[in-house]
Amino acid sequence: KQEVTQIPAALSVPEGENLVLNCSFTDSAIYNLQWFRQDPGKGLTSLLLIQSSQREQTSGRLNASLDKSSGRSTLYIAASQPGDSATYLCAVGSTSGTYKYIFGTGTRLKVLA
Amino acid sequence: DAGVIQSPRHEVTEMGQEVTLRCKPISGHDYLFWYRQTMMRGLELLIYFNNNVPIDDSGMPEDRFSAKMPNASFSTLKIQPSEPRDSAVYFCASSFGTEVYEQYFGPGTRLTVT
Repeated sequence: KQEVTQIPAALSVPEGENLVLNCSFTDSAIYNLQWFRQDPGKGLTSLLLIQSSQREQTSGRLNASLDKSSGRSTLYIAASQPGDSATYLCAVGSTSGTYKYIFGTGTRLKVLA
Repeated sequence: DAGVIQSPRHEVTEMGQEVTLRCKPISGHDYLFWYRQTMMRGLELLIYFNNNVPIDDSGMPEDRFSAKMPNASFSTLKIQPSEPRDSAVYFCASSFGTEVYEQYFGPGTRLTVT
């Protein structure tokens, strides 16, 4: 059974700092991995999607990497800003049985001005 | 496109009442997903459809929950009878395919059962 873990659960950093969020999964048989951000009381906003054949994806100040063999993905945020404060969730598209996303529990990020 | 649309945004009901949540996916998307989010369990997939056909409903907690997708632009999630432990935020998401396409989420319906 696929399990997805995100560490740390919460993180506070000063504005301008570069930071890395981690996502680990137990079964390397995945279709893809998607990173989302969720603002309080809101839905999920897609940030990046990495297909199983890819190693990384970049969008602006965000870079996501995928290492299937080790069951890990990282989301790198460069030059963090207070507007980046949110909960970041990773979701693994698992191939076990029918296609489905398994979500991690998220990392709550606070960027201090 | 307006994105995934869900209604109502908030629902407060008494235990035992029937609750119907509604979702309109992004036009052209052939996959639709229903999720539930709670503090205790995080985000869980309840059921998903492909071309209006239910593919995997293994996440539906019990027979009180049912979902339908009568056409490509509309889906419902029904809870009958509702219980306090059903209180959660329910999200609908849609995508065009699976492996190479992102899932897009609606704003969610916050359900409170008293």
